[in-house]
Amino acid sequence: DAGVIQSPRHEVTEMGQEVTLRCKPISGHNSLFWYRQTMMRGLELLIYFNNNVPIDDSGMPEDRFSAKMPNASFSTLKIQPSEPRDSAVYFCASSLRGNYGYTFGSGTRLTVV
Amino acid sequence: KQEVTQIPAALSVPEGENLVLNCSFTDSAIYNLQWFRQDPGKGLTSLLLIQSSQREQTSGRLNASLDKSSGRSTLYIAASQPGDSATYLCAVYVVGYSTLTFGKGTMLLVSP
Repeated sequence: DAGVIQSPRHEVTEMGQEVTLRCKPISGHNSLFWYRQTMMRGLELLIYFNNNVPIDDSGMPEDRFSAKMPNASFSTLKIQPSEPRDSAVYFCASSLRGNYGYTFGSGTRLTVV
Repeated sequence: KQEVTQIPAALSVPEGENLVLNCSFTDSAIYNLQWFRQDPGKGLTSLLLIQSSQREQTSGRLNASLDKSSGRSTLYIAASQPGDSATYLCAVYVVGYSTLTFGKGTMLLVSP
């Protein structure tokens, strides 16, 4: 298995533009997580899906952020409109069970100028 | 709300030293505690997972311990090598929460 695959690896965009981050979890994993990592706040959970259903989105900063999981092999995190304070590394992770055996993707480094 | 603290934030040691990284958490009602490694520009790699009923786990030169009652865990690295240089993160899975809560990590540099 190729692991959790995220794209793009790097994204530079102008303030106000829409940004879409993509994630392909490991086949057979039923839980998917989106995290954001910054120097100030460390790793923060944004949203958690179980069997493609959003379970906990309390970490999503505001309405500008949205996430979808249309099927078991694909998820997106969208920011519209983007702001400079959204600059961070965004990680996707999947697990076979919610509390065990996390596998992280390599992350998307987002820079909003 | 669960808080996870890692001390020290950064550590620099010469090759060959044994070292200990510390993790503390505020809520002892945990399912498990996990240690991860993060290399610069990369994702997180799981190193060790300790279930709440366990006291320690070992993998090669790594040994992680868990004391639930005091809310503490340590990661012991024996005979450190330059290849161990990375950021080490501690995370706990708490009863009633959806997912892991992470500390901010300890950045380790092992010099030859």
